[in-house]
Order: sequence, then structure tokens, then C-alpha cells
Amino acid sequence: QSALTQPASVSGSPGQSITISCTGTSSDVGAYNHVSWYQHYPGKAPKLMIFEVTNRPSGVPDRFSGSKSGNTASLTISGLRAEDEAAYYCTSYTTSGTWVFGGGAMLTVL
Amino acid sequence: QVQLVESGGGVVQPGRSLRLSCAASGYTFSTYGMHWVRQPPGKGLEWVALISDDGRKKYYADSVRGRFTISRDDSKNTVYLQMNSLRPEDRAVYYCARDSRKWALDYWGQGTLVTVSS
Repeated sequence: QSALTQPASVSGSPGQSITISCTGTSSDVGAYNHVSWYQHYPGKAPKLMIFEVTNRPSGVPDRFSGSKSGNTASLTISGLRAEDEAAYYCTSYTTSGTWVFGGGAMLTVL
Repeated sequence: QVQLVESGGGVVQPGRSLRLSCAASGYTFSTYGMHWVRQPPGKGLEWVALISDDGRKKYYADSVRGRFTISRDDSKNTVYLQMNSLRPEDRAVYYCARDSRKWALDYWGQGTLVTVSS
């Protein structure tokens, strides 16, 4: 159960777009469309932002979008805003019936 | 509204046990699976365990299998995590989260801190 690979940090200026990658294997990310993304502020509960690779829960701005190609999933945030500065985690269901998280990417809005 | 409230964290010596609880409200508890996820200080989220809605299926991360047990009491709308043989590396904030039934964790609690130290 190795963690999915995410960049440790990403940054962008307000109004710009950024993409966070999440690389796994054919036993997790590549096996199913069961990738989700979470926004996490320190000391707060994580918040679901994307489920089943591309779907947004009600209330999540359409500035957030997800995609997947092979063993790599991606989260794109367009029109960056200061309040987007947080840690972002991907997770995937695996062929073993377990779940695995990425190491997390800290987004800095410059 | 859905609420999840964890409790039971604290300081415990290595090798000892601790039981965490997560009280759910605002939805029909018995129809959803429940996860435990942890975050060691300064590190990322780590999935720990999942129990199915009917309690029959349980899954664990390799790092805790054989030491931790997830269970649920639908009469109390509560999910538990029994943690035995605790190690210093088990030190973390432990979150419970609801399985959305769409391959995601849609509601999370605020977490409870477990410290393993002599």
C-alpha cells in the first residue's frame, strides 16, 4: 500500500490556473474511476472536492475540476483565489478493497 | 445536517490500548459505511480502516492490520476503532469519515489526537 505520488507543493497567482497530479499504479488509480480529492486547512476537517475522478459535490465551485489518464489523476483549480490556499489530497480505491491517499500537495497562492 | 464527532483520544504508553469513538447524527447511520483516517503530526493523511454499512466487511491498512479493529453499533449511531499494541508511530489526529457510496469520503469529523509516549 504505497502512497500515491503528489508534488509536495504547488503555487500560482490569483486568477491563474494550477494542476496537481496524483500518480498511482494499475492497482489503484489506473484500475477504477474511484479517485477523489480533498481540501484540507490546518486544524479543520478535510472537505471533499471531487469524486469519481470528475464529479463535484454540491456547493463546490466549478473552478475545481478533475481528470485522469492511465495511472495519473489530476486536479485543476482555475481562477485561483486566496482562499484556495490549503493542502490537497487525492485518494483512490484499490484492487485489494482498501484505500490509499496521496502524500498531499500544499497550494500557495502568491 | 450530517455531523461526526470523534472522542477517546489521549496520551497512552507504547504497547497499551485505546478505543476511539465517532458519534454520527443527521442521517440514517446504518445505511452508510464508515472510515477512519489519520494524520501524523506534520505529515499527510493515511487511510486506516473501513467498515461496511452492515458491519460484515472490514478492511484495514497494512500498517494497522492485526492491531486495530473497526466496529459499529447502529443502535448508538457510533463507529469505533479499537487500537491495541500502540506504537509511537501511531501518534496522529484520527478522523472518522462517512463513505459516500460514490467512492469517496463525503463528511468528516474534526478529529481526535492520539499520542503514544512513555
